[in-house]
Amino acid sequence: DAKTTQPPSMDCAEGRAANLPCNHSTISGNEYVYWYRQIHSQGPQYIIHGLKNNETNEMASLIITEDRKSSTLILPHATLRDTAVYYCIVRYSLDTDKLIFGTGTRLQVFP
Amino acid sequence: EPEVTQTPSHQVTQMGQEVILRCVPISNHLYFYWYRQILGQKVEFLVSFYNNEISEKSEIFDDQFSVERPDGSNFTLKIRSTKLEDSAMYFCASRGVGDQPQHFGDGTRLSIL
Repeated sequence: DAKTTQPPSMDCAEGRAANLPCNHSTISGNEYVYWYRQIHSQGPQYIIHGLKNNETNEMASLIITEDRKSSTLILPHATLRDTAVYYCIVRYSLDTDKLIFGTGTRLQVFP
Repeated sequence: EPEVTQTPSHQVTQMGQEVILRCVPISNHLYFYWYRQILGQKVEFLVSFYNNEISEKSEIFDDQFSVERPDGSNFTLKIRSTKLEDSAMYFCASRGVGDQPQHFGDGTRLSIL
């Protein structure tokens, strides 16, 4: 099973910020948090990842709490094309680099 | 931006036939993966491959499955004798070293009749 917990669905108005939460209370000290999204049945698309510092790239920002037990993905100005399932993934164990996908958060951006 | 490419995009095969799914990973990547997603279900890990050998495989990846990197650019998944339950989207992924993320292709939709 995935080591993360996410709400099953969220809505966001176009142009507004979408804030997607993720709990990963059992994360270990050197495990990264990765965010992916999947639009329809396309391949998962990498968004961003981080260890303990907040990160920003051209797609999104990642805020990780100080205790690292949760994080938030921020899409600053959501568009209709951001409608997708968003996955928060922590590496399953230190002995493997396979990704364990949960059910993610289905984000619906509406006009 | 470099990307993982998969061919074909859709493969239709009779049950019991062999099928080979092809992937061209990002050129400087060293780690390679196959995942699958049955319609309406989660993305599931199948196998990881590094330095010309399997690093890890899941319970799904039984003796009917094999992977190969036949040359410096391709990475293939072969299913020897397909079953109806093999119908799914198959995604190839690759990554560079360290904490670099896995990048996925757009998948091959495999339909077994």
